[in-house]
Amino acid sequence: GAVVSQHPSRVICKSGTSVKIECRSLDFQATTMFWYRQFPKKSLMLMATSNEGSKATYEQGVEKDKFLINHASLTLSTLTVTSAHPEDSSFYICSAPGGRQSYNEQFFGPGTRLTVL
Amino acid sequence: TQLLEQSPQFLSIQEGENLTVYCNSSSVFSSLQWYRQEPGEGPVLLVTVVTGGEVKKLKRLTFQFGDARKDSSLHITAAQPGDTGLYLCAGARGTGANNLFFGTGTRLTVIP
Repeated sequence: GAVVSQHPSRVICKSGTSVKIECRSLDFQATTMFWYRQFPKKSLMLMATSNEGSKATYEQGVEKDKFLINHASLTLSTLTVTSAHPEDSSFYICSAPGGRQSYNEQFFGPGTRLTVL
Repeated sequence: TQLLEQSPQFLSIQEGENLTVYCNSSSVFSSLQWYRQEPGEGPVLLVTVVTGGEVKKLKRLTFQFGDARKDSSLHITAAQPGDTGLYLCAGARGTGANNLFFGTGTRLTVIP
């Protein structure tokens, strides 16, 4: 099946710094990718839709200037957490449409655990 | 407001026991997916059910879509430690992740 990778898998940073997370589709092209946030022992929360060659679409309540998304190619989307604070600590997961897209099946990356000190 | 409620939220059982996880909503979905997520990993798609009343089997896992396409269940027979993980249902009301609604999740622990 299709593979989606994320890098890094874990990152620890100081408060106030920015962190970039990469999401790659390894054996297929994705004009859209999706970014989720997951709190401990909770379900997934959609943050934004990353669109290749155009601006990302953010869900209500997600700060655009805080979570910068760039989809520069058909296989790469990046999420940059700017001026990170401890409350940004979370598990960030990306996905890309795959399988039977008419059924909205998604392939998920392995996630990135961000810890802000 | 969560569109899809799962129950139970947590489940801890002994190896060999059977269990059922429920995914309920008042909304109709065009299809419903079940994912399993292991700690520190992303969710992995197990199955997609499309037709009301549909039953799909994946080894010891049986998935059923409600007749009205508003709910679903996952039944595991003779649970094994390898079944441990977070089970997520997700209802689709069209394409795009903004039309994919994840359930609240069920964390299953199977004790050897």
